Amino acid sequence: NAGVTQTPKFQVLKTGQSMTLQCAQDMNHNSMYWYRQDPGMGLRLIYYSASEGTTDKGEVPNGYNVSRLNKREFSLRLESAAPSQTSVYFCASSGRQGANQPQHFGDGTRLSIL
Amino acid sequence: DQQVKQNSPSLSVQEGRISILNCDYTNSMFDYFLWYKKYPAEGPTFLISISSIKDKNEDGRFTVFLNKSAKHLSLHIVPSQPGDSAVYFCAASASHTGANSKLTFGKGITLSVRP
Repeated sequence: NAGVTQTPKFQVLKTGQSMTLQCAQDMNHNSMYWYRQDPGMGLRLIYYSASEGTTDKGEVPNGYNVSRLNKREFSLRLESAAPSQTSVYFCASSGRQGANQPQHFGDGTRLSIL
Repeated sequence: DQQVKQNSPSLSVQEGRISILNCDYTNSMFDYFLWYKKYPAEGPTFLISISSIKDKNEDGRFTVFLNKSAKHLSLHIVPSQPGDSAVYFCAASASHTGANSKLTFGKGITLSVRP
């Protein structure tokens, strides 16, 4: 009963290094999302994918790229990590675009950039 | 510009009493509202939702009330239990616009239930 699985759970990077955060869901959901959460803040949307083959920018896309590899997997890439990208990253998925269905979240990737 | 506001950062209640968590929104296009619960080192867990065509939705100990004219919703937990201690996020979306169910989150309220 995995739901949404994120890897890795923790990572420390040096400024300028690159990294890909992986996300997979086993609920046959169409839509997938990447959020970041910073202290004292709510979750902010980075990128989302309404369906396989499509991706769109969210509220805070700068410095990130995404790939919807297939229906199950949605990855987030930091090409040149910066200290401002130190955060907890959450992946989520939901059943249908435009429908009133809740998003289901993974347990997060805690990323520190030195 | 914060479209979903949770103005109280924390709330402490006695076990067995009612917890009332408040949320305000500014975007009149929002028509679907959700509450998520989050424990440390875990992802948010969906708790309860309400569509704008309703003013109340109940699920066990949890009830969400929506006042569209005031752009206000609240989550009631009765009775409160120590295991309810967590951060609660209010979220909203404008689903009727076909905008991919994108959620806008508030900053969260930390609920502490004292035994």
